[in-house]
Amino acid sequence: GAVVSQHPSWVICKSGTSVKIECRSLDFQATTMFWYRQFPKQSLMLMATSNEGSKATYEQGVEKDKFLINHASLTLSTLTVTSAHPEDSSFYICSANKGQENSPLHFGNGTRLTVT
Amino acid sequence: GQNIDQPTEMTATEGAIVQINCTYQTSGFNGLFWYQQHAGEAPTFLSYNVLDGLEEKGRFSSFLSRSKGYSYLLLKELQMKDSASYLCAPLDSNYQLIWGAGTKLIIKP
Repeated sequence: GAVVSQHPSWVICKSGTSVKIECRSLDFQATTMFWYRQFPKQSLMLMATSNEGSKATYEQGVEKDKFLINHASLTLSTLTVTSAHPEDSSFYICSANKGQENSPLHFGNGTRLTVT
Repeated sequence: GQNIDQPTEMTATEGAIVQINCTYQTSGFNGLFWYQQHAGEAPTFLSYNVLDGLEEKGRFSSFLSRSKGYSYLLLKELQMKDSASYLCAPLDSNYQLIWGAGTKLIIKP
């Protein structure tokens, strides 16, 4: 069964609004979660590493003020896309691994965001 | 730099066997994952290799040669539901996964 739950699965919003995506680890505690973005027919791109109790680490080129990450508990990380624009339309996926750093990443089901 | 090289697309017949090759260059190495991703869905874990050799798991097997920077995923008794993209993802020295664009596998009846 799923070990990482992501919500919502899809969302359509208007330009200028903000959208919050939740990622939960269901049966384990995740001090670290990862947020990815994937455009059609392209590879997964790591946006940021979410750290419980501290600030997220953003990859180069990702605007931290636009993509707000909060990792308030050991089982929940949220990504908020602020002032969304059509170019933010994409497939956003969170992931976490249990325990050791070389344990497999388990992915949420992803959120398809469409900004009109 | 870090680089993944996989064929962009492959076609195979239902019931047959297909091998998807992957060569990689990373800063350090802590193992390699294979993931399956159906269109419009998130990736799902298939296998992890950290030592040289073949790991068999049902219809799927994965092979690793660290000295050659090479891995392959072998799929046997292909089924239509195996049509998906297959992502080779090595772990670098910082335990960061390096993602390529994957191989789109098309299964024909």
